[in-house]
Amino acid sequence: KNEVEQSPQNLTAQEGEFITINCSYSVGISALHWLQQHPGGGIVSLFMLSSGKKKHGRLIATINIQEKHSSLHITASHPRDSAVYICAVASGSRLTFGEGTQLTVNP
Amino acid sequence: DTGVSQNPRHKITKRGQNVTFRCDPISEHNRLYWYRQTLGQGPEFLTYFQNEAQLEKSRLLSDRFSAERPKGSFSTLEIQRTEQGDSAMYLCASSLQTTSTDTQYFGPGTRLTVL
Repeated sequence: KNEVEQSPQNLTAQEGEFITINCSYSVGISALHWLQQHPGGGIVSLFMLSSGKKKHGRLIATINIQEKHSSLHITASHPRDSAVYICAVASGSRLTFGEGTQLTVNP
Repeated sequence: DTGVSQNPRHKITKRGQNVTFRCDPISEHNRLYWYRQTLGQGPEFLTYFQNEAQLEKSRLLSDRFSAERPKGSFSTLEIQRTEQGDSAMYLCASSLQTTSTDTQYFGPGTRLTVL
């Protein structure tokens, strides 16, 4: 079993839909990161959180430390949101990554 | 552009050849990380530096792999006697470590294809 599990692996949505991507982890962590990766490989850090909730534009990330679970929500999804979304947990300086969720938003 | 840069962006080599990749971090960042990502998978940690000191290496980093950060600025990752299984995207990230956790900024990656 991977230390970081994401679901779903693939997600297709229509423009405007509310999207949720889930991440569960099994190890003790100091922080959790949500990353976005576009075709070609470039990775952008979306959020780093260790408790509660963060919001940036149409993106919202939440974490429940007791349940070892985090969610990434996208409101009013748009085709430009199409990318791979990766959850990564920090234990000390090392990041352990989930396998990613491929999101496709159709117009 | 003051982000993390990596060179080359793509490298095709024949099995058995040596390759070297370079990463230039954001200038004031003291930490530098190397990751490997194979197709359809999330990145995997390889190693990281704090300034010029290599503080941690993954067991994935076999003796054919070596990384350096000689002056605490840019870093190189060398793979000797490449194998087809080395084909992957090699990602570099940097961060300014001021607390126990920090935000890593990723470079565009170097895609290695071993024929």
